Amino acid sequence: NAGVTQTPKFQVLKTGQSMTLQCAQDMNHEYMSWYRQDPGMGLRLIHYSVGAGITDQGEVPNGYNVSRSTTEDFPLRLLSAAPSQTSVYFCASSHTLDGANVLTFGAGSRLTVL
Amino acid sequence: GQNIDQPTEMTATEGAIVQINCTYQTSGFNGLFWYQQHAGEAPTFLSYNVLDGLEEKGRFSSFLSRSKGYSYLLLKELQMKDSASYLCAVRDSNYQLIWGAGTKLIIKP
Repeated sequence: NAGVTQTPKFQVLKTGQSMTLQCAQDMNHEYMSWYRQDPGMGLRLIHYSVGAGITDQGEVPNGYNVSRSTTEDFPLRLLSAAPSQTSVYFCASSHTLDGANVLTFGAGSRLTVL
Repeated sequence: GQNIDQPTEMTATEGAIVQINCTYQTSGFNGLFWYQQHAGEAPTFLSYNVLDGLEEKGRFSSFLSRSKGYSYLLLKELQMKDSASYLCAVRDSNYQLIWGAGTKLIIKP
């Protein structure tokens, strides 16, 4: 199993450009999510999905869109990039282990917006 | 508001023991998680506590006191590879995870 695969690993954008961060998992997990990680702050939830066709907003959804057409894929779209979106983005899927919903993270995508 | 507090950075010596504390104030409680994150890598799951007490897993142990809003991660027989950030996260009443900013642990020989 590859686990959670994110692409690209690094990306530089200009303000106003759009792009999609790809995320795929091969573990048949229903729950998937996108986080951003900024220095000195905890992980912040952007959007999440509890299954194909279902998405919902997290703590910081503005400027981002998601869709979940299949169980495997959960892309994150930046509609019009802003410097405030410079961050490291993590996709994660979840499974239950001994009663805990454990997150498995992708390797991360480092985005710089100029 | 909801808040998770952890020390920003700690230093310990190889072979020693270190305790990383986490205090939380959240709207409800449905479990506390510890994750390890090496620099430039993804977080990986370490432990989960939902009831008071100590959970031991090899060199790592995690303690929870729900009445005090407090947890700690105990790392024994420290190895250089334990140099990483340790993230505390609490699942609130809406089953959403609230994350601390992480504790960077530096291990010195």
